[in-house]
Amino acid sequence: AQSVTQLDSQVPVFEEAPVELRCNYSSSVSVYLFWYVQYPNQGLQLLLKYLSGSTLVKGINGFEAEFNKSQTSFHLRKPSVHISDTAEYFCAVSEGSGNTGKLIFGQGTTLQVKP
Amino acid sequence: DADVTQTPRNRITKTGKRIMLECSQTKGHDRMYWYRQDPGLGLRLIYYSFDVKDINKGEISDGYSVSRQAQAKFSLSLESAIPNQTALYFCATSDPSAVSGANVLTFGAGSRLTVL
Repeated sequence: AQSVTQLDSQVPVFEEAPVELRCNYSSSVSVYLFWYVQYPNQGLQLLLKYLSGSTLVKGINGFEAEFNKSQTSFHLRKPSVHISDTAEYFCAVSEGSGNTGKLIFGQGTTLQVKP
Repeated sequence: DADVTQTPRNRITKTGKRIMLECSQTKGHDRMYWYRQDPGLGLRLIYYSFDVKDINKGEISDGYSVSRQAQAKFSLSLESAIPNQTALYFCATSDPSAVSGANVLTFGAGSRLTVL
């Protein structure tokens, strides 16, 4: 069965510092990988996705992630964070090998950006 | 107006009561989903529907039922609510015909349910 592990439940960081949110997955089949962001009192919105092709994926708001098949990781990075990046971030993997829309989510990482 | 609208946004109820959470969408997507979010557990799939006549159980369907009244409407019901169903519930839609595929979900703002 597929699973997703987000290694940090909370990541505090100062404004303008770089940040990395870690995500590891397990799967015996090819996967699609996603990062979603949830701002306070809002639903989730897509940050970026890996479907195929280049392993470095760029998303919205200056975020990027790198798919590493050998390490089964999909870590999210941003070189300089803003206060407005404070939110909860979810890594997700598509279930099975098909285009089903059924996602398995990690536990979430709360990014706390301090002034 | 939001693409995916959930009502109510907040609800407090008592054990044993029947509760319905409603979801409507203007995206024109065939696929709709109900997820539950609990702190430290992420989101888990309750039910999903690929079209009006297709309803499927997800990972945690026990204690829940759904109704797909139309392409745009997908309701989640708790027939007899219990305290461990206290959670944040999200409706989502997706479009398998899009370039990005069915795995890109559009979420509603969530319905926070508290069962006392």
